[in-house]
This record gives sequence, structure tokens and C-alpha cells, in this order.
Amino acid sequence: DAKTTQPNSMESNEEEPVHLPCNHSTISGTDYIHWYRQLPSQGPEYVIHGLTSNVNNRMASLAIAEDRKSSTLILHRATLRDAAVYYCTRWDYKLSFGAGTTVTVRA
Amino acid sequence: EPEVTQTPSHQVTQMGQEVILRCVPISNHLYFYWYRQILGQKVEFLVSFYNNEISEKSEIFDDQFSVERPDGSNFTLKIRSTKLEDSAMYFCASGQGHEAFFGQGTRLTVV
Repeated sequence: DAKTTQPNSMESNEEEPVHLPCNHSTISGTDYIHWYRQLPSQGPEYVIHGLTSNVNNRMASLAIAEDRKSSTLILHRATLRDAAVYYCTRWDYKLSFGAGTTVTVRA
Repeated sequence: EPEVTQTPSHQVTQMGQEVILRCVPISNHLYFYWYRQILGQKVEFLVSFYNNEISEKSEIFDDQFSVERPDGSNFTLKIRSTKLEDSAMYFCASGQGHEAFFGQGTRLTVV
């Protein structure tokens, strides 16, 4: 999505946390921030979404900056199965995917 | 756990032929989508469908493409006259709002 900016790639060691940043400086006040991931050879998979408050679920945590111009997806303990492309996007009754961040997890 | 099912998983077709890609969305979902991903590229939005009509479509979704929900359960994407550049992975998705569930995709190869 042209309105979100993510690093191309990140590496992590297994069982260490991963912090994935996303800049969305042009997001409107009512746009939700969504994170999806795409495992190799699979369709995108929902991870988490939020509006203003930090959010937690069984997969990850989402920390949203107070000005909402950026957010960070946190994988608390990366596993080899978390190796995927992670997409930050906004919801406007559809999802628009950019290039995402390719996460590599080292054993 | 309910899931979106797509068939076939792989389809090979000759250029100029019509193809129909099939999807069974999750039963109580109201929003339906088709996306495509050309090998090595990003996932691209094609079309969204709500209340039995197209709610939004991208520039990619030209007159060669159509969607249908013929029987209240299936959701199909038809490409009337395939081109080589239509070769891609096509993903169907369904949702109730913010969370969209994607199928495993149909790999379309146009030769």
C-alpha cells in the first residue's frame, strides 16, 4: 500500500522477540491498522488490527503510536514457523498490500 | 475451524481460453474478495463483492474479468479470454468486517 512504509527485511533468532515497524503518516483518524502475514506458498493470514490502543492476541501485539503515524507489530518469541512476509495495511473495506517485511528466523 | 476453500489448486490453460476459478467462502461471511499475486510480486486487489454486487474493483479487473455468486455458497472468478500475463496465484477471501480469511489459492498458468 503506497500509504504504508515497512523495511524490506528483518532477521531474528528463534525464541527472541521481533519488532516490525510500519510508518503510516497519512492514515486518517478512522482508518484501522491491519497486519497480515503470508507464509511461503500460502494465502495471507490475519494477524492483528487496531485503531488507537495497543492490542494483544495469541499471535502478536500491536503497539500504535499516540499520533497514529506509526505502529509496531511485536512477535514475542519468534519460532521458525513465523518466517513469513508481514504486511502492514489499512482497512477501507478491502486490504491493499505492499511489499511487506520479509522476516527470517534463525534456529 | 471454518476455512475458505478454492478449487482447483492448479489450472493450466491455453491463451485465449476461458477459465473459472471457484471459491467457497466461510458460510456466514458477507464480504467476498479476489486477489492475485504474480510470482515474486505483491498481492494485488482485484474485486470486492457485497450484497450480491461488486462494491469495488481495481484497474486490473477489466472487462475480461467477472465475478458471480451463483448459488449463495460459491463465489467464482471468470476470465473470459486468458492472456499470458494472467498467469498468477489467485486468492479468494471472505470476511465479516476487519478480518479477512484467505484461501490457499489457485495457481493459474496460461500457456
